[in-house]
Amino acid sequence: AQSVTQLGSHVSVSEGALVLLRCNYSSSVPPYLFWYVQYPNQGLQLLLKYTSAATLVKGINGFEAEFKKSETSFHLTKPSAHMSDAAEYFCAVNSAGGTSYGKLTFGQGTILTVHP
Amino acid sequence: DAGVIQSPRHEVTEMGQEVTLRCKPISGHNSLFWYRQTMMRGLELLIYFNNNVPIDDSGMPEDRFSAKMPNASFSTLKIQPSEPRDSAVYFCASSSSRGPNAEAFFGQGTRLTVV
Repeated sequence: AQSVTQLGSHVSVSEGALVLLRCNYSSSVPPYLFWYVQYPNQGLQLLLKYTSAATLVKGINGFEAEFKKSETSFHLTKPSAHMSDAAEYFCAVNSAGGTSYGKLTFGQGTILTVHP
Repeated sequence: DAGVIQSPRHEVTEMGQEVTLRCKPISGHNSLFWYRQTMMRGLELLIYFNNNVPIDDSGMPEDRFSAKMPNASFSTLKIQPSEPRDSAVYFCASSSSRGPNAEAFFGQGTRLTVV
């Protein structure tokens, strides 16, 4: 079975500060990992994805994430927060095999608040 | 491409009524997913199809829920009879393959309120 755990349902940062959203995964087979963002009253859109090509993945809007197998983590970071980054962020995992093949499983989400 | 299109965007219905949610995936995508989002349970995968065939429906909450995909460009999620606890935002998503690295594209969602 595969799963992701997002540590912290709410994160608050000041504009210009570092953003760090945590995600740990569990998968019995090599994972494929994703970060999605959801703005109010919108669907989810992809920020970035890890597919084993490189452990540091760069996405849209200045976000990046690093895959660390030893820590089973895929934390999302952005060096300097902008007001427009305020949204809910979801980490998701898909597996290359096993019973979960083709099934994208999401974490509970982290709401990011950016204050002036 | 217009992206994944869901209708209606909002639905308010009375308990006991039948509700049908509709989804048009992105043209050429052969995997389609239905998710439900609530504050309490987050995003839950209800069912997913590959090449119009249901692959995994283990997330469908109970027999009141059913989903169909009669062709590659249309899917429905039906709730009959509806109950207040079905109130949620329902998302449809599609992707270009069943492969694990395929990005899922989401629709805007249908906000269902059952009173």
